[in-house]
Amino acid sequence: QVQLVESGGGMVQPGRSLRLSCAASGFAFSYYGMHWVRQAPGKGLEWVAVISYSFTGSFQYYADSVKGRFTISRDNSKNTLYLQMNSLRPEDTALYYCVKESDAFDLWGRGTMVTVSS
Amino acid sequence: QAGLTQPPSVSQDLRQTATLTCIGNSNNVGSQGVAWLQQHQGHPPKLLSYRSNNRPSGISERFSASRSGNTGFLTITGLQPEDEADYYCSAWDSSLHVWEFGGGTKLTVL
Repeated sequence: QVQLVESGGGMVQPGRSLRLSCAASGFAFSYYGMHWVRQAPGKGLEWVAVISYSFTGSFQYYADSVKGRFTISRDNSKNTLYLQMNSLRPEDTALYYCVKESDAFDLWGRGTMVTVSS
Repeated sequence: QAGLTQPPSVSQDLRQTATLTCIGNSNNVGSQGVAWLQQHQGHPPKLLSYRSNNRPSGISERFSASRSGNTGFLTITGLQPEDEADYYCSAWDSSLHVWEFGGGTKLTVL
């Protein structure tokens, strides 16, 4: 079954860290670019980061709002995508989606909720 | 980041046609094309079209997309109650090296 399953969300205090994971199955994970996209409660979609699929070397790009604090990575041997989130802020509170890029954002997980609050 | 501009809401009658717009610039929509996604409350988004006018398999022909200059369009014909949802456009910005989303349009089917 082709799917993405996120995990690792939860409630955390401002300034702390959290690592999200996304387990991919049913497709050749290593051949696709992968993204994190988030959605704050009642708000629209916000792109967070992308990691390429290239075997010659990967590249990563980040939204300005998370650059320097978040790191996207992947382990192709485990078919897993990660998002390391440091120095978390209340405005990072959102549902975080893992997204596969074939033709734009063509496969989405159900998301994992991150709440940053003291 | 510049972002993409969408009207917050659009209303149209059942069985009629609705056209949603997405305004970008020459670095995103104008050169990279635009994707459209549909999101129902409580569910993840679903891709409706990509690279301005391509439809993934399984998406109804009632949904069609196009682009003119820096503006993308999503046209939904024969509106059905289940088309009531939030619609987002998205594009890669080749200058900023970021993906951008529009603020979303809430479509109401009257």
